[in-house]
Amino acid sequence: DTEVTQTPKHLVMGMTNKKSLKCEQHMGHRAMYWYKQKAKKPPELMFVYSYEKLSINESVPSRFSPECPNSSLLNLHLHALQPEDSALYLCASSFRQGRDYEQYFGPGTRLTVT
Amino acid sequence: DQQVKQNSPSLSVQEGRISILNCDYTNSMFDYFLWYKKYPAEGPTFLISISSIKDKNEDGRFTVFLNKSAKHLSLHIVPSQPGDSAVYFCAASSGTLNQGAQKLVFGQGTRLTINP
Repeated sequence: DTEVTQTPKHLVMGMTNKKSLKCEQHMGHRAMYWYKQKAKKPPELMFVYSYEKLSINESVPSRFSPECPNSSLLNLHLHALQPEDSALYLCASSFRQGRDYEQYFGPGTRLTVT
Repeated sequence: DQQVKQNSPSLSVQEGRISILNCDYTNSMFDYFLWYKKYPAEGPTFLISISSIKDKNEDGRFTVFLNKSAKHLSLHIVPSQPGDSAVYFCAASSGTLNQGAQKLVFGQGTRLTINP
């Protein structure tokens, strides 16, 4: 099983709203990632969690707040977003001890900020 | 500074023929390379990877070749099938971060179209 699930599939939010994106994997992976992808562009790394600790923040604005409640779950809390934050948000996971260095991606959440 | 480059934005191939997608990189510290396939409005799907200690890795119809001296890798798909039509991303990593995570750098992607 190489499945990463993400909810919701689509999200429309206003600039004053607070919402959360959720990601789950049950592959025993200990690294989880958030990416942002704009149309016709490659995925752009936002955050990396390793063993439930934030390992990398790629200078992402504070209106994006990640959270890793346990080794299977990853959340991305959104607040006061801008229209230019509209994009496909992808979650990925990787790494079991000694294997699975490749990252497996979820289907993404299509976010529209109005 | 684009460290991973896919210079062909698009490629069109006849069904049954070989598709060759190319990728160049500039960072000599990269030691792990991956290819992903992406359909519209879906997440990238992992296809195949190669470590810098190898020069070839094969998985069914997919073969990745790595030329370290030229800092070049290629993905060969043979025979090409209509379902292979998608955007293909090359990605590279320079070792693991603490505790096994990896930071991937992606190329811009190549749109492959397989014509019946």
